[in-house]
Amino acid sequence: AQSVTQLDSHVSVSEGTPVLLRCNYSSSYSPSLFWYVQHPNKGLQLLLKYTSAATLVKGINGFEAEFKKSETSFHLTKPSAHMSDAAEYFCVVSDWGSNYQLIWGAGTKLIIKP
Amino acid sequence: SQTIHQWPATLVQPVGSPLSLECTVEGTSNPNLYWYRQAAGRGLQLLFYSVGIGQISSEVPQNLSASRPQDRQFILSSKKLLLSDSGFYLCAWRGDRGTNYGYTFGSGTRLTVV
Repeated sequence: AQSVTQLDSHVSVSEGTPVLLRCNYSSSYSPSLFWYVQHPNKGLQLLLKYTSAATLVKGINGFEAEFKKSETSFHLTKPSAHMSDAAEYFCVVSDWGSNYQLIWGAGTKLIIKP
Repeated sequence: SQTIHQWPATLVQPVGSPLSLECTVEGTSNPNLYWYRQAAGRGLQLLFYSVGIGQISSEVPQNLSASRPQDRQFILSSKKLLLSDSGFYLCAWRGDRGTNYGYTFGSGTRLTVV
């Protein structure tokens, strides 16, 4: 069965420092993987997605993620955090076995310190 | 282009009152439609999905129901709200193979049951 584990419920970084949000997944098939961001009281916005093309995926707002099959990981990174990055981030997996429905991680709240 | 509309944005309802949340999509036909709920501090939970008019699949037994009276309309309802129904409700539309089965989310409804 498909599952997603976001290893940190909260991550706190200083503005201008790198961001790392960790995600591990379980999938029996070739998965598609996504990162979504949700700002307070707002809907969801797709940051980036991996769909079996290049393993390093670049998204919006300077974020990127690397698909590592051997480690079943899809960690989200950004070289330099900005105050506007403060939000909740969700790692999501989808594959043929789930009929392409989205399986969501519990989310990681990113806190940016000035 | 495809768009998805969801309303209302916020709602405060007393316990025992009925609920009706509406979602409509534009720019596509016969879409797969989804209702998700996000409880505080959690990821998204799939409540219902629909592959066509009158076709509803329920993922979780609960106090809610869904209907799809028209191709591009998806309604979430309850006859009597419970306190535990509070949360953030999102409607979503899933694209086809040409879009890599990408999802588009509505802006969400914040429901508070008092």
